[in-house]
Amino acid sequence: EADIYQTPRYLVIGTGKKITLECSQTMGHDKMYWYQQDPGMELHLIHYSYGVNSTEKGDLSSESTVSRIRTEHFPLTLESARPSHTSQYLCASSIGLGGEAFFGQGTRLTVV
Amino acid sequence: QKEVEQDPGPLSVPEGAIVSLNCTYSNSAFQYFMWYRQYSRKGPELLMYTYSSGNKEDGRFTAQVDKSSKYISLFIRDSQPSDSATYLCVLSEYGNKLVFGAGTILRVKS
Repeated sequence: EADIYQTPRYLVIGTGKKITLECSQTMGHDKMYWYQQDPGMELHLIHYSYGVNSTEKGDLSSESTVSRIRTEHFPLTLESARPSHTSQYLCASSIGLGGEAFFGQGTRLTVV
Repeated sequence: QKEVEQDPGPLSVPEGAIVSLNCTYSNSAFQYFMWYRQYSRKGPELLMYTYSSGNKEDGRFTAQVDKSSKYISLFIRDSQPSDSATYLCVLSEYGNKLVFGAGTILRVKS
């Protein structure tokens, strides 16, 4: 079983609020990823990191930002949430180059 | 053209059937091949991981990779209603990001 955790699992928040979605893994993986997935739709990569102090934007443009100060921690922040940010956010990590990725259970975000 | 093509289904089968799920790809540099299962409102769960052509078996699941044809498959034997989920093929090159298929919705009817 993968040791990658996301909190909160569900979040309902008002427009304009700042939010941080937490992702932590205890496997020592160097690579971490954030994906966005709408119900019944494909996963879209929005951010990734290859190690501490390394962050890159993914294939889908996102207003969110990420940081990687510690290997095990890869939080995602939205400075001002909007209804268009409503989605499921999935965090993943992998080891080495080409290694299999392990996913967290996701955070389902609803902005009202 | 997408790098990875996967029929979205849905694929509906009776309990006990053998299920065949497939993906084709265009990038010959892909070296790592994975299958994930995703239940509704959950994160994807890794089922199979391989980096070579041939077959890999794990219980009721068999992953097959044919690099010459750029074709990968996942077979599920004795399918169960609990196998009902979306199945994602995921490929990657050495050192690069994961590339996801669109996912195939599988429904196993009891």
